[in-house]
Amino acid sequence: AQSVTQLGSHVSVSEGALVLLRCNYSSSVPPYLFWYVQYPNQGLQLLLKYTSAATLVKGINGFEAEFKKSETSFHLTKPSAHMSDAAEYFCAVSGNQFYFGTGTSLTVIP
Amino acid sequence: EAGVVQSPRYKIIEKKQPVAFWCNPISGHNTLYWYRQNLGQGPELLIRYENEEAVDDSQLPKDRFSAERLKGVDSTLKIQPAELGDSAVYLCASSRPSAYTGELFFGEGSRLTVL
Repeated sequence: AQSVTQLGSHVSVSEGALVLLRCNYSSSVPPYLFWYVQYPNQGLQLLLKYTSAATLVKGINGFEAEFKKSETSFHLTKPSAHMSDAAEYFCAVSGNQFYFGTGTSLTVIP
Repeated sequence: EAGVVQSPRYKIIEKKQPVAFWCNPISGHNTLYWYRQNLGQGPELLIRYENEEAVDDSQLPKDRFSAERLKGVDSTLKIQPAELGDSAVYLCASSRPSAYTGELFFGEGSRLTVL
């Protein structure tokens, strides 16, 4: 069985501050892990994905995530938040299907 | 290339009425998914198609939901009759075959409100 848990349904950061969105996964097999972003009234867009290559994955818009097997984590970070980063972020794990987390809403305070 | 196209974007109906959503996937994507996203939740799979075949419909409430993908391209998701609890965003996504190592491409969704 596979699942992801996103810690914190709401995160607020100041513009220019570090963004850290947490995701822990459960998987009985080596996982494929993803972060998707959803802007208001839009579909989900892929930010980045881990598919067993490099453990530090770089994505679009300056985001990156690090796969840590020992911690079963795949946290999403960005060094400096921008107003345009305000959105809903979903972590997902795939095996026989995609399993999405419940999402983290990111607010960026000017 | 054109993305996944869904229609309608918004639909408001009264309970017990029927409703249908349409999806046109990205050209060449054999796999098509319908997800339901409740407010404040992540997407949950309703049905997955490989070409014309529904290969995973275990989460589809078959008493009132139906889906079809004729000719392995466009797909329609129908609810009849709709219930208050069906209010949600219905997302369509497509991917290349064996995409669980790859990426899902999502449409903008169809937001259903059942009154």
